[in-house]
Amino acid sequence: GAVVSQHPSWVICKSGTSVKIECRSLDFQATTMFWYRQFPKQSLMLMATSNEGSKATYEQGVEKDKFLINHASLTLSTLTVTSAHPEDSSFYICSASRDAGNTIYFGEGSWLTVV
Amino acid sequence: GENVEQHPSTLSVQEGDSAVIKCTYSDSASNYFPWYKQELGKRPQLIIDIRSNVGEKKDQRIAVTLNKTAKHFSLHITETQPEDSAVYFCAATYPLRGGSNYKLTFGKGTLLTVNP
Repeated sequence: GAVVSQHPSWVICKSGTSVKIECRSLDFQATTMFWYRQFPKQSLMLMATSNEGSKATYEQGVEKDKFLINHASLTLSTLTVTSAHPEDSSFYICSASRDAGNTIYFGEGSWLTVV
Repeated sequence: GENVEQHPSTLSVQEGDSAVIKCTYSDSASNYFPWYKQELGKRPQLIIDIRSNVGEKKDQRIAVTLNKTAKHFSLHITETQPEDSAVYFCAATYPLRGGSNYKLTFGKGTLLTVNP
């Protein structure tokens, strides 16, 4: 089946620094990828829709200048958390769907800890 | 936009009993309803899904029912086992502009505990 890979799985960074998370579709082309954030014991909250070759569409309340999304190719989307603060510590997870259907495939997720 | 409500938030059952989790959705354009199982710190795993042209689907101990008129869908797990313990999320998708990609909205999740 389709595989979506996410890297890194774990990252610890200092306050004020930036962190980049990559999401790759390994065996299919994804014109659209999605980025979610999940706090402990909570649901997955959609942050933004990443569109290949164009600007991402952000959900209400998500700061686009803080969470930079780049979807430069059909197999790679990146999320950069800029000027990270401890409250940004969370589980970030991406997903992608094939054009042919709407089955959603998730990456492994990335645990971000800002100290 | 879509709004998905999920109940209950926690569910505790004895091993061998059945578990039922219910969801409602708001957008009549939604046409695909997956259920995910998520263990702590891991990605959601698709366990079963149903499309809007089907009323019921079963896969061994797991079944899903869909009532399009009422905008309800439910997950049924029979003969529960301790390894079924996890957080379960329902979701509803509707097509983005152009119809070739889909936006997924999750319910808040149900923590299922199966006691041995």
